[in-house]
Amino acid sequence: GAVVSQHPSWVICKSGTSVKIECRSLDFQATTMFWYRQFPKQSLMLMATSNEGSKATYEQGVEKDKFLINHASLTLSTLTVTSAHPEDSSFYICSARGDTLAGELFFGEGSRLTVL
Amino acid sequence: AQSVAQPEDQVNVAEGNPLTVKCTYSVSGNPYLFWYVQYPNRGLQFLLKYITGDNLVKGSYGFEAEFNKSQTSFHLKKPSALVSDSALYFCAVRPQIGNNRKLIWGLGTSLAVNP
Repeated sequence: GAVVSQHPSWVICKSGTSVKIECRSLDFQATTMFWYRQFPKQSLMLMATSNEGSKATYEQGVEKDKFLINHASLTLSTLTVTSAHPEDSSFYICSARGDTLAGELFFGEGSRLTVL
Repeated sequence: AQSVAQPEDQVNVAEGNPLTVKCTYSVSGNPYLFWYVQYPNRGLQFLLKYITGDNLVKGSYGFEAEFNKSQTSFHLKKPSALVSDSALYFCAVRPQIGNNRKLIWGLGTSLAVNP
């Protein structure tokens, strides 16, 4: 099956700093990737859709200047949390759509961000 | 509004017993249906999908799901639960028609399999 790699798995940073999370599709090309945020014991919240070579599409309520998404190649999308604050602490998960009729998603392992 | 419901926040089952995790949906047309599993502090893993054809689909780790069009349900099942099946399970639906074909997620069901 398709493999999506996400890095780093864990990151702790100070308030006010920026953190970059990488998402790579290892064995397939992903023109579309998705970034989700998950709070403890809660469902997934889609933050944005990352399109290769164009601007990301953000969901309502997600600050695009705070959560910068870049999808510069068919195998790499990055999420940068700028000027992080403690309320940004969360579990961030990326996914890529597989090249099948149903377009099921394949997920990275997630990144746990803790902002002190 | 289109939606996916997982009516049970938590399901408890004894090891060796059959398990069912319920999912119903309210989506126009004939959507694609999916189940994913999430282990603690991990990303989601794809379990199985329904596109068309046989209503019973088989997936990873011995799981299967039954599509019921009249009841708009797609319940996840396994004949004999393992302790290692304890995890969070998500049902998701992707519309085939309309302008918005993004995945619609259920809220998840926490499965606890007791030894």
